[in-house]
Formats: sequence, structure tokens, C-alpha cells
Amino acid sequence: QKEVEQNSGPLSVPEGAIASLNCTYSDRGSQSFFWYRQYSGKSPELIMSIYSNGDKEDGRFTAQLNKASQYVSLLIRDSQPSDSATYLCAVIMGNQFYFGTGTSLTVIP
Amino acid sequence: ETGVTQSPTHLIKTRGQQVTLRCSSQSGHNTVSWYQQALGQGPQFIFQYYREEENGRGNFPPRFSGLQFPNYSSELNVNALELDDSALYLCASSYTGTSREQYFGPGTRLTVT
Repeated sequence: QKEVEQNSGPLSVPEGAIASLNCTYSDRGSQSFFWYRQYSGKSPELIMSIYSNGDKEDGRFTAQLNKASQYVSLLIRDSQPSDSATYLCAVIMGNQFYFGTGTSLTVIP
Repeated sequence: ETGVTQSPTHLIKTRGQQVTLRCSSQSGHNTVSWYQQALGQGPQFIFQYYREEENGRGNFPPRFSGLQFPNYSSELNVNALELDDSALYLCASSYTGTSREQYFGPGTRLTVT
């Protein structure tokens, strides 16, 4: 089992819809979780961090964490074509960041 | 606030050569981590430096080595380059404290031929 797993996609949603991205992780003791956005040919950009169970909202983005299920998700409301990118889930296990392989999202105008 | 910078942007090397990549931390950050990202994969942790000492290492061979300087800038050195070392090399800086958010530089694209 990989430390952090994501569906690679591709995920396609129409403009204005909600995009839902999911991530599971292997270490039940993990406390810190992050979502990064990576445009093609660019470096990852931090968009959300979450440390407590429940939801955390920032603009059109909502991160959801369920430590009992070892599951973290990212919802993007009112998706825009500019949201088309690869979304990377990252989890700190021990003293190290582990990244998933990313989910490719395409928002169709 | 100054962001994370990396140099060079692109690099082409021949198998067996050595390469040095450089990173300047974001202002106020004291920890630097290096990652290797192959095409279609997530970043893979190479190592982390805090207070000029290696503070964690991923599953990379000893020919991958690094340094952190008093101004928190850092270098990644790779000896005896192999074709599989071709990747995007990312530097991320953070402040070791309650928030462990990491911010990435633009990366160095290394091609080994």
C-alpha cells in the first residue's frame, strides 16, 4: 500500500460545477494534511492545509478531513477553467512529507 | 516577502557527471526540503535541512547530498548522474514550528543524456 493514494483521473467537470478530489493515507497517527495545485510545467502551489477533523473553507475551496477513516478530500465549488490542473495531496508522516501521484482535473467551459 | 528561488531553471548533463542545484529560502523560513518529481508522479522526498544539518532523508542513495548555509539557502549535489535522475528537482522552504506548510520554488529541470 502506498503511503498516500489518489485517483489519478482524469476528472472532468463542467464550468460552474463542484469538483471533488479524494485522498487516503496509511499512517493513522498523521496530523498534518495539505492540498497543492500544480499547473503543467510549473511547481506545486499550496492551496489548503488542514489539521483537525471536519471542514475548512477558503473561498471556493473546502478541505475535509476524517482521521478515523484516514481520508482527506478537496471540494472546489463553482469550478473555473483556470482550476484545470493536477491536484496533489500531501501528508506528513513522521518528519517527512509524502505526496500522492496527483489527480488531473479539467474544467470544461 | 521574498519567495523561494532556484537556479538554474534548466540543465542538461551527461551520464556520470556531477551537478549542483541551488535554492534560496523564503524570507523567515529556516528549513529546506528537496524533492525529485518524475513525469506523472508526485514529488519524492530526498532530504531536509534544518539549522545546517540533515534532518531527515528519503529513499535516495548517498550520491544525493546537500548543504544548508547560515542564511538558510541550500544546495543539492548529485554525483555519478544516471539517466533515471532526469526529473524536476524542487526545493521547498518552511518554518519549523506549529505550522509546517511548505512552499515550493519554481524547480530545476534536469535532463541526463
